[in-house]
Amino acid sequence: QVQLVQSGAEVKKPGSSVKVSCKASGGTFSSYAISWVRQAPGQGLEWMGRIIPILGIANYAQKFQGRVTITADKSTSTAYMELSSLRSEDTAVYYCAREVMQQLVWRFVDYWGQGTLVTVSS
Amino acid sequence: QSALTQPASVSGSPGQSITISCTGTSSDVGGYNYVSWYQQHPGKAPKLMIYDVSNRPSGVSNRFSGSKSGNTASLTISGLQAEDEADYYCSSYTSSSTFVVFGGGTKLTVL
Repeated sequence: QVQLVQSGAEVKKPGSSVKVSCKASGGTFSSYAISWVRQAPGQGLEWMGRIIPILGIANYAQKFQGRVTITADKSTSTAYMELSSLRSEDTAVYYCAREVMQQLVWRFVDYWGQGTLVTVSS
Repeated sequence: QSALTQPASVSGSPGQSITISCTGTSSDVGGYNYVSWYQQHPGKAPKLMIYDVSNRPSGVSNRFSGSKSGNTASLTISGLQAEDEADYYCSSYTSSSTFVVFGGGTKLTVL
């Protein structure tokens, strides 16, 4: 059974950075992409970017370009999402999810982590 | 404003059928068969319900079905049950620089 376990909740100051981890088990980590999706309080889902571990390639949503970095450690089956220059609007639950691709094109995500609440407050 | 347009809310009585629409453009929904639907209960992670427009993952009830016509995808839930009450989101690959887009979500209320 595939499981994605994320790191715990974080409280950050505006202008700082946060790094969230996502450890995968029960599947072949390198055969899929890991996407990051966030959800602000009471709002919808927003795709931030993804990493393809076997290729070491990351793609980012234009909105987050320059502010987000997604990496993966194949040796530990762990993906990371780092968001910098935090502002209050970044307060959200951040999810990692296993992405199924077709020739590097997104098809869907089938397994989700439990979510990590990041609160940005002075 | 979300890239894909969904109604904010829909409702139905137990046993009835409802349909949630998801409207995009030829750059996303209309151009690719990579539409997926997710169910989210309060405080929980989303759950995949439909992928590639109309396919159901193993374990998802056959009361859930998906379809697409032009730039609009639809999720139909038949035989509504109380546990279907949740938020539903559509998603699609897009050829724009955004890469992946979600709908704004639809709150389903079972009356």
